[in-house]
Amino acid sequence: DAGVTQSPTHLIKTRGQQVTLRCSPISGHKSVSWYQQVLGQGPQFIFQYYEKEERGRGNFPDRFSARQFPNYSSELNVNALLLGDSALYLCASSQDRDHGYTFGSGTRLTVV
Amino acid sequence: QQQVKQSPQSLIVQKGGISIINCAYENTAFDYFPWYQQFPGKGPALLIAIRPDVSEKKEGRFTISFNKSAKQFSLHIMDSQPGDSATYFCAASIWGNFNKFYFGSGTKLNVKP
Repeated sequence: DAGVTQSPTHLIKTRGQQVTLRCSPISGHKSVSWYQQVLGQGPQFIFQYYEKEERGRGNFPDRFSARQFPNYSSELNVNALLLGDSALYLCASSQDRDHGYTFGSGTRLTVV
Repeated sequence: QQQVKQSPQSLIVQKGGISIINCAYENTAFDYFPWYQQFPGKGPALLIAIRPDVSEKKEGRFTISFNKSAKQFSLHIMDSQPGDSATYFCAASIWGNFNKFYFGSGTKLNVKP
């Protein structure tokens, strides 16, 4: 079975640009969460989606947005990139609210 | 305000030794406490988890000890192996609350052969 897949694996962007990160959950999983992991720190919660609706939002600015599609895949968008947005962005999926999450390998974003 | 505090930041253990990582939390509403293992270039992988209705859970060489009154929990890795060298994160969440996890800052474990 395929795990949580994220694309791209790495990308480099310039300050002020916009980026879109993609996530495909495990088949049958309806919930997707996004986390930001800055080097040397633990992951920080950004968003959670279940059945295409936003169910939770972390303490991130409005430059961060996300959506979930009918096939339960998800996109994370970040506008007006700052150097501080450089991080590993992790997507995690779960069947529903009563099950644990499986993380993908992440997208390494570098803002220069 | 950090909801979950983890220590130590790094740990060096000889092969066959016991690795101990500690975490403390603030929010008494937390009722699910997982530990994740992360290798370089990979996402965190669930290692073991505990609910507050038990004080200890063991899976193979990995044991979680939980102290509800002290709001602390710890991971013990028995007979540590070089393959256990990774970064370990504790986390806490409210079960059923779409599992929004609060992670600790991580412990980098190095098991010497």
